[in-house]
Order: sequence, then structure tokens, then C-alpha cells
Amino acid sequence: RKEVEQDPGPFNVPEGATVAFNCTYSNSASQSFFWYRQDCRKEPKLLMSVYSSGNEDGRFTAQLNRASQYISLLIRDSKLSDSATYLCVVPRGSGGSNYKLTFGKGTLLTVNP
Amino acid sequence: EPEVTQTPSHQVTQMGQEVILRCVPISNHLYFYWYRQILGQKVEFLVSFYNNEISEKSEIFDDQFSVERPDGSNFTLKIRSTKLEDSAMYFCASSVTPEQYFGPGTRLTVT
Repeated sequence: RKEVEQDPGPFNVPEGATVAFNCTYSNSASQSFFWYRQDCRKEPKLLMSVYSSGNEDGRFTAQLNRASQYISLLIRDSKLSDSATYLCVVPRGSGGSNYKLTFGKGTLLTVNP
Repeated sequence: EPEVTQTPSHQVTQMGQEVILRCVPISNHLYFYWYRQILGQKVEFLVSFYNNEISEKSEIFDDQFSVERPDGSNFTLKIRSTKLEDSAMYFCASSVTPEQYFGPGTRLTVT
């Protein structure tokens, strides 16, 4: 299994739709996970952190299944501004709060009017 | 809101030349990182830096690469003799918790 593997996409959805992205990871010792979004030719921006079974922030919900080593991101009521690449990210600690981030290839989402 | 800044935004250089990419991390952050992203590929870890020394480096970060924190605010990545395959977007990041915050990147083009 690859370190971090995501749905390849792309996803094209209409405004208002609900869309879900999946991600699997190989390191069973991983304790925390992140979703970042990346707009074309821009930097990754932190969207959500997941430390326990899940996290919710407005229209965004992340869920974690440790037994299956699987993380998902659900976006409800999609907006045009949600169009971006969504990156599943698994940190690996090397002491203190010093972490190496391992990125998935990303899933491209386009929300259409 | 504090941000990571990077200069220049775009650097064009000839193969074999040295380049220095500059970053100003968020002021109270303790951990500093460089990542790169080749066009169309995923973001890859290069190096992490804490307490004035390298904490971890990837196999990409060979002897041609070095990092430095020359003063209390700047964090630099030097590539000694650039190759065509070094062309990529280079992102600096900083953190004080596991969450890392990225700068806007420097696009390096090696011709």
C-alpha cells in the first residue's frame, strides 16, 4: 500500500451537491491527519485537522477509521469557491511537534454553476 | 493573520548556477520546513529544521542542498549547482504545533 493514496478524481459536481473524497494511509502508527486544499499553482492551505474519529467545521466533515486506515472528507452544499485540489496529508513525527508531512496526489474538485 | 512569506516568487537560472530561496516563517514558530512540488506531481518533503539544525531530510536533499537560518527571521534554501530536474515550486512552511503553514512558494525554473 502506498503511504498516502487518494481518489484520483477529477470530481465535477453542481453547486449545492454533496461530495466525498477518500484517502487511505499505510502507517498504522499515524495519530493525526490533515486535509489541505490547494488552488492551481498556489500553496497548500490547511483545511482541517483530524485527531480523533472525526472533525466537523461548517460544511466540511472529516472522518477517520483507524481500523481500516481510511480518512474521508465530506463537503456539503458545494460552492463554486470549493473548486480546488484536496490533499490528504499524514504527518510523521520526529520529536516534539516536528513532523514530516506526507502528501497524497490530491483529488481535483470542480464545482459547476 | 501572520503568514509565511517567500522571495522571490519566480527565479529563472541556468543549469549549474547557485540559487538561494528565501523564507520568513511566522514569528513565533519553532519548526521550519522546505517542500517542493514538480509541476503535476505531489508535494514532497525536503528538510525540517529546528533549534538551528536539520532534524530530518529526505533522499532528495542531497549534498547540493543546504539550509540556513542566518538571523532571527529568515530561513533559506540553497541549491549549489542547479540541474534541470530541480525545476519545481519550492514551498517553505513553519509550525509550532503539528499543523504546518505554507508560504506562497518560489517557482524555480532551470534552463
